Amino acid sequence: GQNIDQPTEMTATEGAIVQINCTYQTSGFNGLFWYQQHAGEAPTFLSYNVLDGLEEKGRFSSFLSRSKGYSYLLLKELQMKDSASYLCAVADSNYQLIWGAGTKLIIKP
Amino acid sequence: IAGITQAPTSQILAAGRRMTLRCTQDMRHNAMYWYRQDLGLGLRLIHYSNTAGTTGKGEVPDGYSVSRANTDDFPLTLASAVPSQTSVYFCASSPAGVTGELFFGEGSRLTVL
Repeated sequence: GQNIDQPTEMTATEGAIVQINCTYQTSGFNGLFWYQQHAGEAPTFLSYNVLDGLEEKGRFSSFLSRSKGYSYLLLKELQMKDSASYLCAVADSNYQLIWGAGTKLIIKP
Repeated sequence: IAGITQAPTSQILAAGRRMTLRCTQDMRHNAMYWYRQDLGLGLRLIHYSNTAGTTGKGEVPDGYSVSRANTDDFPLTLASAVPSQTSVYFCASSPAGVTGELFFGEGSRLTVL
């Protein structure tokens, strides 16, 4: 079966750096997405990786290794507003998105 | 303001009742999707539409139906609601299918008693 694994919950301190990991086993691969979802709100797009390597966008970076079925989202200079769930999703060979359950990130002052 | 509008935002429904969740987008996106989100689970695709006039089944289509009469509207209907359909429902659209950014509506919280 197809599977996306990410930690259920993480805690970090304001101003610090946190890395949220995502491993996947899917039938084919057509890209990996990260979305941010604040409690009670809709998910919003953060990043898209289709080739191996690091994509940087401001305080957020996303890394992909297709051979390892692995990605991470790196958040720098954490702010209280970064408290949210972070969703990893993979587009499989049929171009269907497979979603992880999300990682709830708690930022402490 | 451009985007996706869902209605209602919240609804309590008796089991066995028929319910339609509305979704309208003004971004002229071809692809639209309906997801349900349940605690501890990833978003699960119910139905999708790659373009007006076509629809397809997702991962959990049973008990749900959709239509896509035009580009902007993509309603989701529960013919006879059951308690297991209690969930938060998100409508989304994309200009480029699943390899592009998905734009989500604010969600519809449905409780079936």
